[in-house]
Amino acid sequence: TQLLEQSPQFLSIQEGENLTVYCNSSSVFSSLQWYRQEPGEGPVLLVTVVTGGEVKKLKRLTFQFGDARKDSSLHITAAQPGDTGLYLCAVGDDKIIFGKGTRLHILP
Amino acid sequence: EPEVTQTPSHQVTQMGQEVILRCVPISNHLYFYWYRQILGQKVEFLVSFYNNEISEKSEIFDDQFSVERPDGSNFTLKIRSTKLEDSAMYFCASKHGGYTFGSGTRLTVV
Repeated sequence: TQLLEQSPQFLSIQEGENLTVYCNSSSVFSSLQWYRQEPGEGPVLLVTVVTGGEVKKLKRLTFQFGDARKDSSLHITAAQPGDTGLYLCAVGDDKIIFGKGTRLHILP
Repeated sequence: EPEVTQTPSHQVTQMGQEVILRCVPISNHLYFYWYRQILGQKVEFLVSFYNNEISEKSEIFDDQFSVERPDGSNFTLKIRSTKLEDSAMYFCASKHGGYTFGSGTRLTVV
């Protein structure tokens, strides 16, 4: 059983569409992070959410932390080919535990 | 923007050989980490290092692994006798508030 379950595993959509990916757990966390990883590169931190119900926006990306602090979502509006990558959720202040990620492919 | 630098980017080594993976963390960061990612699998924690000592290590980080901060800038991961299953991307990271990962070293054990 994975601590963090990310869904879907893979998502391929057309440029301009909206999408949401999810990160779920049965555990409660004090904070949760989202990273993006491109092939051959290390994960890059996008955002950290801390408060239950918190919503953070990063341009066309909207991150939400669940009220119970057990889950999170990432919504991308009007996806672009540059959004292609592996999106990872993660928890931990010192040692980080990553989910398996959602591999997103935006078709031009 | 400050970066975590890792060298080499690729390393091929024979099974049983020792390898040293090198990292230069961001200069004002105090917490250092190694992670690995086997092809197609998730990023896994190996070890954390603070104040010149290991603060936590995973089950993966057995006696074949060691870390060192030999001077004020470098942070190294040594694998004493490599096995085929050590083939992976190894990421160094440093932290001051948020994490910054390096671009990784792809280790291939043949």
